[in-house]
Amino acid sequence: SQKIEQNSEALNIQEGKTATLTCNYTNYSPAYLQWYRQDPGRGPVFLLLIRENEKEKRKERLKVTFDTTLKQSLFHITASQPADSATYLCALDISNFNKFYFGSGTKLNVKP
Amino acid sequence: EAGVAQSPRYKIIEKRQSVAFWCNPISGHATLYWYQQILGQGPKLLIQFQNNGVVDDSQLPKDRFSAERLKGVDSTLKIQPAKLEDSAVYLCASSRGTSGGVQTQYFGPGTRLLVL
Repeated sequence: SQKIEQNSEALNIQEGKTATLTCNYTNYSPAYLQWYRQDPGRGPVFLLLIRENEKEKRKERLKVTFDTTLKQSLFHITASQPADSATYLCALDISNFNKFYFGSGTKLNVKP
Repeated sequence: EAGVAQSPRYKIIEKRQSVAFWCNPISGHATLYWYQQILGQGPKLLIQFQNNGVVDDSQLPKDRFSAERLKGVDSTLKIQPAKLEDSAVYLCASSRGTSGGVQTQYFGPGTRLLVL
């Protein structure tokens, strides 16, 4: 069956450290993968996308890697801040027609 | 630029009742999505429109759910009759593109539905 897996357990880290979140998938060959942030009571907000032919993408304190052999994406937040606390979702375009499947998300808690 | 608007924000109904949700996408966005997000899970795509045509509705429970996007702008999602397991947040999203390519989705705040 088709799956997108993210750590269901919350990730607790200290302010200033690097947070690393994982997104694993099976049975897909996505053209690209996206990461979203979702705060309680709000809709997801787009953060970054990475294409299948890209290994790494950066935006300010955010970095995404994409390994199509391992079928895995890693999402890093460097110098984390309490304001980074949220749920982070990965989404795959499985159809090349912008049909997205989302993972269940990982809750990040950054402690001051 | 105004974001994606949804209403109502909250709705409480009894099982077997009907409910409708409304979405107004970002102006000029051709593609509109409806997602269902159950507590603790990621959004699940229910239906995808491109302009006023359906691109994908393979995960829409068609015996009770329906959606339309008249004139290729606003959209409504209806549940009739509602079941307890329909309790969730219903998210509307839109994206600019009309075909293929890389698209970024912009989400509305969602409608939180509780079925008693």
